[in-house]
Amino acid sequence: DGGITQSPKYLFRKEGQNVTLSCEQNLNHDAMYWYRQDPGQGLRLIYYSQIVNDFQKGDIAEGYSVSREKKESFPLTVTSAQKNPTAFYLCASTLGQGASSRDTQYFGPGTRLTVL
Amino acid sequence: GESVGLHLPTLSVQEGDNSIINCAYSNSASDYFIWYKQESGKGPQFIIDIRSNMDKRQGQRVTVLLNKTVKHLSLQIAATQPGDSAVYFCAEIPGTDSWGKLQFGAGTQVVVTP
Repeated sequence: DGGITQSPKYLFRKEGQNVTLSCEQNLNHDAMYWYRQDPGQGLRLIYYSQIVNDFQKGDIAEGYSVSREKKESFPLTVTSAQKNPTAFYLCASTLGQGASSRDTQYFGPGTRLTVL
Repeated sequence: GESVGLHLPTLSVQEGDNSIINCAYSNSASDYFIWYKQESGKGPQFIIDIRSNMDKRQGQRVTVLLNKTVKHLSLQIAATQPGDSAVYFCAEIPGTDSWGKLQFGAGTQVVVTP
């Protein structure tokens, strides 16, 4: 089956700890994205990566870090600098770049992070 | 202070009726729009998209209408079913220079009643 997987589904973190959320895709998509979703709100872009070994900050990158060492993987680290990390985190990918219909973003199932 | 108790707009629809979900966008340079459906605790699923050179696009039981004059997008669901209960988001790519950077609306909660 092709798709995007995220793990874990639920994650609990103590204050002051860094945690890493996994995102893997086997769609051979070039670009990957991380979003944060808070209750009753739309998705906000944290980081995105158009190609391997390159990534860009989104709208709310502070307190987060990413890496893109492999095309299929785009892990997100939520650092202790993130003041309010409790949220639902969504990873997405697109086939390529440019304004065309193939740029539809396909989403993973999400990781719910709770800070204790 | 932190906002609490944020509530999504809710559309309550009787099973079998048609649903119309509306979305306003602000960027006249946006040239690509997508509707997503998100069920509770899951990631958004692509429903249908439309480019700015079109006014209407139809899929299976869904139609998206785009009115660029008033910057308005709507999603029509025909013969709404219980499985259509979800939050629906519109998203836009604000111009060809904003590659891949979707801007999402807050969403509309659709509740299908028997």
